[in-house]
Amino acid sequence: QVQLQESGPGLVKPSETLSLTCHVSGGSISSYYWSWIRQTPAKGLEWIGYFYHSGGTNYNPSFTSRVTMSIDTSRNQVYLELRSVTPADTAVYYCARGSSGFNSPFVYWGLGILVTVSS
Amino acid sequence: DIQMTQSPSSLSASVGDRITLTCRASQTINNYLNWYQQKPGRAPKLLIYAASNLQSGVPSRFSGSGSGTNFSLTVSSLQPEDFATYFCQQSFNTPRTFGQGTKLEI
Repeated sequence: QVQLQESGPGLVKPSETLSLTCHVSGGSISSYYWSWIRQTPAKGLEWIGYFYHSGGTNYNPSFTSRVTMSIDTSRNQVYLELRSVTPADTAVYYCARGSSGFNSPFVYWGLGILVTVSS
Repeated sequence: DIQMTQSPSSLSASVGDRITLTCRASQTINNYLNWYQQKPGRAPKLLIYAASNLQSGVPSRFSGSGSGTNFSLTVSSLQPEDFATYFCQQSFNTPRTFGQGTKLEI
């Protein structure tokens, strides 16, 4: 059974960097598309981007200038880094896994982590 | 970006009712349309993928249809556990986009 769990600081100061980790258990981290998605009451569900198994990334243009995603196959972990955050980045952040295909849905989701941006 | 528009934004229904939710894409997405169910404080759960395919473990009272730009999710006989918010999402292109959701209420 594949399980995902996000971890990281629940509070980040404006202008700083939000760094989250997605811990993956019950399955290989290779050969899949790994996405980060966030949810706010104002904007709903927003796809931030994905890291895919061949080592490439595809970011939402809304975040491209300040986001980095990566994975560590030895630790079975996926990472999100979002720089220069503002209060508008306050959201529940999810990691999610698709399949090995480009058009795959988000089959597995983490529990989500609330990150608040505030001084 | 492909805009996904769901209707209605909320719906009141009763146990046993048959309901249909709709989702429209701003451009054709073939059949790359997925439906999710979300309950308060929980992550979304995949129900239907590629417009009409039932995800493993999802009750057969859920079904999906459509292609191109117009899609629908039907629940044939509502159960108490079905009262939740439903989202559609396109996986035709990037950036992936979601509808704003339909909240299904008693």
